[in-house]
Parts: sequence; C-alpha cells; structure tokens
Amino acid sequence: DTAVSQTPKYLVTQMGNDKSIKCEQNLGHDTMYWYKQDSKKFLKIMFSYNNKELIINETVPNRFSPKSPDKAHLNLHINSLELGDSAVYFCASSQAGDGGYTFGSGTRLTVV
Amino acid sequence: DAKTTQPPSMDCAEGRAANLPCNHSTISGNEYVYWYRQIHSQGPQYIIHGLKNNETNEMASLIITEDRKSSTLILPHATLRDTAVYYCIVSRAGGTSYGKLTFGQGTILTVHP
Repeated sequence: DTAVSQTPKYLVTQMGNDKSIKCEQNLGHDTMYWYKQDSKKFLKIMFSYNNKELIINETVPNRFSPKSPDKAHLNLHINSLELGDSAVYFCASSQAGDGGYTFGSGTRLTVV
Repeated sequence: DAKTTQPPSMDCAEGRAANLPCNHSTISGNEYVYWYRQIHSQGPQYIIHGLKNNETNEMASLIITEDRKSSTLILPHATLRDTAVYYCIVSRAGGTSYGKLTFGQGTILTVHP
C-alpha cells in the first residue's frame, strides 16, 4: 500500500514532446505538491493544491500545467519538453495543520 | 520562511550517535523546525518536527535551544542505512501556502562501518 505513488518511474522522451506524470495519494490528505530536483540535487517546489484548488505556483513556465481532478490526485502535464526539463519530479502530500509531508518515490524525466 | 544553515557534510561511526546541527537564527515565533532526509534516489522522508519543546520519536530526537535559534537532530544509534542527505527546514505548519517546505542544501551524513 504505497502512500504516495507516481507513474511512471522513468520517462525518456524527445524534445518537443508532451508528457504527463500522475500522482495519487491514499492518505486522505487535503494538500498535494509537485517538487523538482535538478542535477545539482536542489529540491524546489513547483505547485501546491489544496482541495483541488491551486495555492502555490512558483514561477514555473506555463508549459507545465498541473491538474487535480480530486484531492487524492495531482497530475503534471508538460508541453513542448526542453532539455532543461530533465530532472526528478517528486509528488508529495500533507494534511493542513500537520507538519509532515509524505513524498512519492519520484519520476526521473530525461529529455533527449 | 526563515533560512537555515547546516554543515555540508558529517561522518559518523556505525552504532554511535549522530548529532546534526542546524542554525535558524531568524526563526519566527510561529515557525516550526522540520527535519527530512533523502536517501540516494529516493523521495525525501519526514523524520521529526518541533516548535520549542524537545521531541522524540522512533527515528530520532530533536533538541531545540531555548532561544530557538538552533537545533540538533540526534540519531541515537546510527546504522549504514542512515547514510543520507539531512535537511533542516523552518516553516509554518499546515498544508496551505504558508506551509510550504523550502529545501536547502542539507548535510550529507555518511555512516562508516
């Protein structure tokens, strides 16, 4: 029973393609996040959704579009992929008022 | 959110206590201290958090100074599996925008046999 699951785990694609990463949490949390970890290992928040409502958008290019169909799912769609989008993308969830985030195992995106 | 300062790396012998320091001199009264770790290629893992009292759970202890300007994460009996990057983060609790976790560079803890 994985608490926060992401698919796919690995994604290799060509420049210019459009791809999606899916995230699901079974913890009953009301807030979900996308983080990006680049080659220098810095973890940076991209988006946050609370009960399907976007609450954080950290100056991410508009080629990245998150979608939350319900509070248990937060998907990330990326248009016109660029080489610089290569990174590991982590999904996470938390419950308002509680400190601990639960992270997924990551999706390693490689753009060639 | 207040910034934190951590040593870039530390070593520890297996079986000994690992004490990881963190400075957060600009912490606000409503900000918590969180500790996470990231084992190679895995997602970050929540360890512990606290406001001003010392905290202990099955993974670690958190000691926060009285002025709250620094803290220490203690792994009482380090094992090889504790080798990871440890992040000290200061943030307001909660799942709304002000509960955002901002990760720094962390401390690379290497546990030696």
